[in-house]
Amino acid sequence: GNSVTQMEGPVTLSEEAFLTINCTYTATGYPSLFWYVQYPGEGLQLLLKATKADDKGSNKGFEATYRKETTSFHLEKGSVQVSDSAVYFCALNENFNKFYFGSGTKLNVKP
Amino acid sequence: EAGVTQFPSHSVIEKGQTVTLRCDPISGHDNLYWYRRVMGKEIKFLLHFVKESKQDESGMPNNRFLAERTGGTYSTLKVQPAELEDSGVYFCASSPRDRVLYGYTFGSGTRLTVV
Repeated sequence: GNSVTQMEGPVTLSEEAFLTINCTYTATGYPSLFWYVQYPGEGLQLLLKATKADDKGSNKGFEATYRKETTSFHLEKGSVQVSDSAVYFCALNENFNKFYFGSGTKLNVKP
Repeated sequence: EAGVTQFPSHSVIEKGQTVTLRCDPISGHDNLYWYRRVMGKEIKFLLHFVKESKQDESGMPNNRFLAERTGGTYSTLKVQPAELEDSGVYFCASSPRDRVLYGYTFGSGTRLTVV
């Protein structure tokens, strides 16, 4: 079946540090992969996505590359800001149907 | 345009009581989904409406949960009777017919606490 595993948090970084949040997946077909972000008091917002192998999704300085050979979609950012503090969810979706989400990783960025 | 609205934002009820959560999707969105996150774990799919019809309800945990979508507009999720393990955050999402092009919009969730 389909599932997503992402690194547990919380992750605490200083401002301008490099961020990596690991995400691996299991899928029966050829899913699209997503990163969603939830800022405090808000809903889930799409951060970036990739729809096929070797695609790179990017937004707001965040990047993730769809790696079929390692079934991974790790989230990276070169220099985090305090405003990036949030919970990040990795997810997959086959045929643009229902999502399978990971357990979320809480990121705390300190000034 | 208005986003996906969920209310209440928080609800605290006693075990055995009934609670009804409501989701107002973006106007014109045919697809409506319910998800929940329990105990800080993964967000899990509950069910999917296309207009007023249940397309997929494979994620509904048991018959204490009842979802409806009146006239293909807003949706309600009723839990009766509530149990402690039902505590969590319930998310609603909606999308237009062309999900590939337009994607999904999530609400900010309802935090349910059963005591």
